Amino acid sequence: QSVLTQPPSASGTPGQRVTISCSGSSSNIGSNTVNWYQQLPGTAPKLLIYSNNQRPSGVPDRFSGSKSGTSASLAISGLQSEDEADYYCAAWDDSLNGRCWVFGGGTKLTVL
Amino acid sequence: QVQLQESGPGLVKPSETLSLTCTVSGGSISSYYWSWIRQPPGKGLEWIGYIYYSGSTNYNPSLKSRVTISVDTSKNQFSLKLSSVTAADTAVYYCARGVVVITNWGQGTLVTVSS
Repeated sequence: QSVLTQPPSASGTPGQRVTISCSGSSSNIGSNTVNWYQQLPGTAPKLLIYSNNQRPSGVPDRFSGSKSGTSASLAISGLQSEDEADYYCAAWDDSLNGRCWVFGGGTKLTVL
Repeated sequence: QVQLQESGPGLVKPSETLSLTCTVSGGSISSYYWSWIRQPPGKGLEWIGYIYYSGSTNYNPSLKSRVTISVDTSKNQFSLKLSSVTAADTAVYYCARGVVVITNWGQGTLVTVSS
């Protein structure tokens, strides 16, 4: 069971806007920034959003991130077929065991 | 553009030690953090640990008793050792530059634990 909670699946039609949620706690999202990764089938993950809402160079502005309290969201507007992928949120977790990098369980996005 | 390449056995027997090496090209291993992440078939990502080029490390508490990550700056490589493996350690293992915010990943290598 993942420390960060994501819905296992999401879907939308081309052109739609979809959001993917990521729920955590005060020891991770509540006190650290959130990052999002996109993983296309058979490939390594790709950084999509860092520091809650920053896009690396080359990531389309259709992708946006936000954070509020102990939750975060990834929004994809103008959905395209090539957006069909798995999406993971990630953050530092500061627990009694020390600082640990934790992921969400991943959300499989289907473009209908 | 820095590139990372994992190498090592694709098949490891239960109870033995999994050993992988990540070779960094196109840039120096110095002045960065370097991570290992794994992904069991059909499942999500799990951070294993990271090492700073100076040698300081941090491991996932759930794996800490079995993991060792080391760095060889002279070869521009860093390595992973995971002891006492079981079938649950079967996964694609990725090496990467950085921690949490990662822009450079290896292609990943599948390691199967089976007798």
